[in-house]
Amino acid sequence: EVKLVESGGGLVQPGRSLKLSCAASGFSFNDYWMGWVRQAPGKGLEWIGEINQDSSTINYTPSLKDKFTISRDNAQNTLYLQMSKLGSEDTAIYYCARPLGAWDYWGQGVMVTVSS
Amino acid sequence: DTVLTQSPALAVSLGQRVTISCRASKSVSTYMHWYQQKSGQQPKLLIYSASNLESGVPSRFSGSGSGTDFTLTIDPVEADDIANYYCQQSNELPYTFGAGTKLELK
Repeated sequence: EVKLVESGGGLVQPGRSLKLSCAASGFSFNDYWMGWVRQAPGKGLEWIGEINQDSSTINYTPSLKDKFTISRDNAQNTLYLQMSKLGSEDTAIYYCARPLGAWDYWGQGVMVTVSS
Repeated sequence: DTVLTQSPALAVSLGQRVTISCRASKSVSTYMHWYQQKSGQQPKLLIYSASNLESGVPSRFSGSGSGTDFTLTIDPVEADDIANYYCQQSNELPYTFGAGTKLELK
Protein backbone atom coordinates (compact mmCIF):
# COMPACT_ATOMS: atom_id res chain seq x y z
CA GLU A 1 0.00 0.00 0.00
CA VAL A 2 1.33 3.41 -0.98
CA LYS A 3 1.61 5.77 1.96
CA LEU A 4 2.78 9.37 2.13
CA VAL A 5 3.03 10.92 5.58
CA GLU A 6 3.90 14.59 6.02
CA SER A 7 5.38 16.05 9.18
CA GLY A 8 7.08 19.17 10.47
CA GLY A 9 4.20 21.61 10.34
CA GLY A 10 3.00 23.92 13.07
CA LEU A 11 2.99 27.55 14.13
CA VAL A 12 5.88 29.68 12.90
CA GLN A 13 6.56 33.41 13.20
CA PRO A 14 6.64 35.64 10.12
CA GLY A 15 10.05 35.81 8.49
CA ARG A 16 11.18 32.48 9.91
CA SER A 17 11.92 29.21 8.15
CA LEU A 18 10.41 25.75 8.37
CA LYS A 19 11.24 22.38 6.83
CA LEU A 20 8.56 19.83 6.04
CA SER A 21 9.17 16.14 5.51
CA CYS A 22 7.21 13.48 3.66
CA ALA A 23 7.93 9.84 4.44
CA ALA A 24 7.06 7.50 1.59
CA SER A 25 6.41 3.77 1.70
CA GLY A 26 4.78 1.03 -0.33
CA PHE A 27 6.50 1.82 -3.61
CA SER A 28 9.97 2.22 -5.05
CA PHE A 29 10.52 5.85 -4.04
CA ASN A 30 13.63 6.37 -6.17
CA ASP A 31 11.72 5.46 -9.34
CA TYR A 32 9.27 8.36 -9.12
CA TRP A 33 9.04 12.11 -9.34
CA MET A 34 7.65 13.63 -6.15
CA GLY A 35 6.13 16.99 -5.40
CA TRP A 36 4.28 19.42 -3.16
CA VAL A 37 0.90 21.15 -3.38
CA ARG A 38 -0.60 23.54 -0.85
CA GLN A 39 -4.07 24.77 0.03
CA ALA A 40 -4.75 27.94 1.96
CA PRO A 41 -7.75 27.82 4.33
CA GLY A 42 -10.98 27.77 2.34
CA LYS A 43 -9.09 28.14 -0.95
CA GLY A 44 -8.12 25.98 -3.89
CA LEU A 45 -5.04 23.91 -4.65
CA GLU A 46 -1.73 25.52 -5.57
CA TRP A 47 1.03 23.56 -7.28
CA ILE A 48 4.36 24.28 -5.57
CA GLY A 49 6.77 22.09 -7.52
CA GLU A 50 8.23 18.70 -8.34
CA ILE A 51 11.58 16.92 -8.17
CA ASN A 52 12.76 14.09 -10.36
CA GLN A 53 14.20 10.78 -9.31
CA ASP A 54 17.87 11.79 -8.91
CA SER A 55 17.23 15.44 -7.95
CA SER A 56 18.75 16.68 -11.21
CA THR A 57 15.53 18.46 -12.24
CA ILE A 58 13.41 20.53 -9.88
CA ASN A 59 10.51 22.61 -11.14
CA TYR A 60 8.81 25.35 -9.11
CA THR A 61 5.92 27.67 -9.55
CA PRO A 62 7.66 31.00 -10.31
CA SER A 63 6.20 32.96 -7.39
CA LEU A 64 7.69 30.53 -4.85
CA LYS A 65 11.01 29.72 -6.48
CA ASP A 66 13.05 32.06 -4.30
CA LYS A 67 11.38 31.04 -1.04
CA PHE A 68 10.94 27.30 -1.26
CA THR A 69 13.41 24.47 -1.91
CA ILE A 70 12.39 20.92 -2.71
CA SER A 71 14.82 18.08 -2.03
CA ARG A 72 14.78 14.35 -1.42
CA ASP A 73 16.77 11.60 0.24
CA ASN A 74 16.27 8.36 -1.66
CA ALA A 75 18.11 6.34 0.99
CA GLN A 76 15.54 7.49 3.55
CA ASN A 77 12.53 7.45 1.17
CA THR A 78 11.83 11.02 2.22
CA LEU A 79 10.84 14.19 0.41
CA TYR A 80 11.49 17.63 1.87
CA LEU A 81 10.20 21.17 1.49
CA GLN A 82 12.39 23.91 2.95
CA MET A 83 10.43 27.14 3.33
CA SER A 84 12.05 30.47 4.14
CA LYS A 85 10.93 34.07 4.73
CA LEU A 86 7.48 32.84 5.61
CA GLY A 87 4.56 35.25 5.58
CA SER A 88 0.89 35.03 6.43
CA GLU A 89 0.17 34.15 2.80
CA ASP A 90 2.02 30.87 3.33
CA THR A 91 -0.51 29.67 5.90
CA ALA A 92 -1.89 26.50 4.35
CA ILE A 93 -2.15 22.76 4.38
CA TYR A 94 0.86 21.32 2.57
CA TYR A 95 0.45 18.05 0.73
CA CYS A 96 3.13 15.83 -0.70
CA ALA A 97 2.07 13.74 -3.65
CA ARG A 98 3.34 11.53 -6.42
CA PRO A 99 3.04 13.07 -9.89
CA LEU A 100 2.73 10.82 -12.90
CA GLY A 101 1.41 13.68 -14.96
CA ALA A 102 -1.63 13.36 -12.76
CA TRP A 103 -0.99 13.13 -9.02
CA ASP A 104 -2.11 9.63 -8.13
CA TYR A 105 -1.22 9.41 -4.44
CA TRP A 106 -1.46 12.17 -1.82
CA GLY A 107 -0.51 12.45 1.80
CA GLN A 108 -3.04 13.57 4.39
CA GLY A 109 -1.38 16.99 4.55
CA VAL A 110 0.29 19.03 7.28
CA MET A 111 -0.85 22.42 8.51
CA VAL A 112 1.52 25.38 8.57
CA THR A 113 0.34 28.53 10.32
CA VAL A 114 2.40 31.70 10.00
CA SER A 115 1.54 34.11 12.76
CA SER A 116 3.17 36.16 15.49
CA ASP B 1 0.98 30.43 -17.01
CA THR B 2 -1.94 28.33 -18.21
CA VAL B 3 -5.06 29.53 -16.42
CA LEU B 4 -7.84 27.00 -15.84
CA THR B 5 -11.35 28.40 -15.40
CA GLN B 6 -14.09 26.47 -13.58
CA SER B 7 -17.58 27.48 -12.51
CA PRO B 8 -17.49 28.17 -8.76
CA ALA B 9 -20.49 26.05 -7.86
CA LEU B 10 -23.18 23.75 -9.23
CA ALA B 11 -26.42 22.67 -7.57
CA VAL B 12 -27.65 19.20 -8.42
CA SER B 13 -30.32 16.70 -7.44
CA LEU B 14 -29.44 13.16 -6.53
CA GLY B 15 -29.78 10.80 -9.48
CA GLN B 16 -29.22 13.55 -12.01
CA ARG B 17 -26.46 13.85 -14.55
CA VAL B 18 -24.05 16.70 -13.96
CA THR B 19 -21.22 18.10 -16.06
CA ILE B 20 -18.42 20.17 -14.57
CA SER B 21 -16.44 22.24 -17.02
CA CYS B 22 -12.84 23.41 -17.15
CA ARG B 23 -11.53 25.80 -19.77
CA ALA B 24 -7.81 26.34 -20.34
CA SER B 25 -6.35 29.67 -21.46
CA LYS B 26 -4.25 27.80 -24.02
CA SER B 27 -4.22 24.30 -25.43
CA VAL B 28 -3.14 21.58 -23.03
CA SER B 29 -3.73 18.74 -25.50
CA THR B 30 -5.16 15.97 -23.30
CA TYR B 31 -2.90 16.68 -20.32
CA MET B 32 -5.88 17.44 -18.10
CA HIS B 33 -6.73 15.66 -14.88
CA TRP B 34 -9.62 15.78 -12.42
CA TYR B 35 -9.63 15.47 -8.64
CA GLN B 36 -12.32 15.19 -6.01
CA GLN B 37 -11.78 16.70 -2.57
CA LYS B 38 -14.19 16.11 0.28
CA SER B 39 -14.21 18.33 3.33
CA GLY B 40 -11.18 17.73 5.53
CA GLN B 41 -9.60 15.22 3.17
CA GLN B 42 -6.78 15.21 0.67
CA PRO B 43 -7.61 15.36 -3.05
CA LYS B 44 -8.33 12.11 -4.86
CA LEU B 45 -7.53 11.48 -8.50
CA LEU B 46 -10.61 10.62 -10.57
CA ILE B 47 -9.69 11.08 -14.22
CA TYR B 48 -6.25 11.36 -15.83
CA SER B 49 -5.28 12.48 -19.29
CA ALA B 50 -8.73 13.91 -19.98
CA SER B 51 -10.71 10.69 -20.24
CA ASN B 52 -9.03 7.83 -18.37
CA LEU B 53 -10.75 6.55 -15.25
CA GLU B 54 -8.38 6.04 -12.33
CA SER B 55 -8.42 2.54 -10.89
CA GLY B 56 -11.06 2.08 -8.21
CA VAL B 57 -13.10 5.13 -9.23
CA PRO B 58 -16.78 4.36 -9.92
CA SER B 59 -17.80 4.22 -13.57
CA ARG B 60 -20.41 6.94 -13.05
CA PHE B 61 -17.47 9.35 -13.40
CA SER B 62 -16.21 10.12 -16.89
CA GLY B 63 -14.12 12.79 -18.57
CA SER B 64 -13.86 14.23 -22.03
CA GLY B 65 -12.25 17.01 -24.01
CA SER B 66 -9.03 18.10 -25.59
CA GLY B 67 -7.29 21.34 -26.36
CA THR B 68 -8.93 24.00 -24.20
CA ASP B 69 -12.32 22.61 -23.20
CA PHE B 70 -12.86 19.73 -20.82
CA THR B 71 -15.72 18.23 -18.88
CA LEU B 72 -16.12 15.90 -15.96
CA THR B 73 -19.46 14.08 -15.95
CA ILE B 74 -21.10 12.32 -13.03
CA ASP B 75 -24.09 10.18 -13.98
CA PRO B 76 -25.96 9.56 -11.81
CA VAL B 77 -24.96 11.82 -8.92
CA GLU B 78 -24.92 10.12 -5.54
CA ALA B 79 -24.84 11.69 -2.09
CA ASP B 80 -21.21 10.63 -1.70
CA ASP B 81 -20.26 12.81 -4.68
CA ILE B 82 -20.95 16.09 -2.89
CA ALA B 83 -17.47 17.61 -2.83
CA ASN B 84 -15.16 20.06 -4.53
CA TYR B 85 -13.78 19.16 -7.94
CA TYR B 86 -10.54 20.48 -9.40
CA CYS B 87 -9.02 20.26 -12.83
CA GLN B 88 -5.25 20.35 -13.30
CA GLN B 89 -3.04 20.62 -16.37
CA SER B 90 0.36 19.00 -16.82
CA ASN B 91 1.04 20.20 -20.35
CA GLU B 92 3.19 23.19 -19.51
CA LEU B 93 5.13 24.39 -16.50
CA PRO B 94 4.08 25.64 -14.07
CA TYR B 95 1.46 22.99 -13.74
CA THR B 96 -1.73 24.67 -12.58
CA PHE B 97 -5.04 23.85 -10.95
CA GLY B 98 -8.43 25.35 -11.57
CA ALA B 99 -10.05 27.19 -8.67
CA GLY B 100 -12.46 24.34 -8.13
CA THR B 101 -16.18 23.67 -8.52
CA LYS B 102 -18.27 23.06 -5.44
CA LEU B 103 -20.99 20.51 -6.06
CA GLU B 104 -24.01 21.19 -3.89
CA LEU B 105 -27.41 19.60 -3.42
CA LYS B 106 -30.49 21.45 -4.58
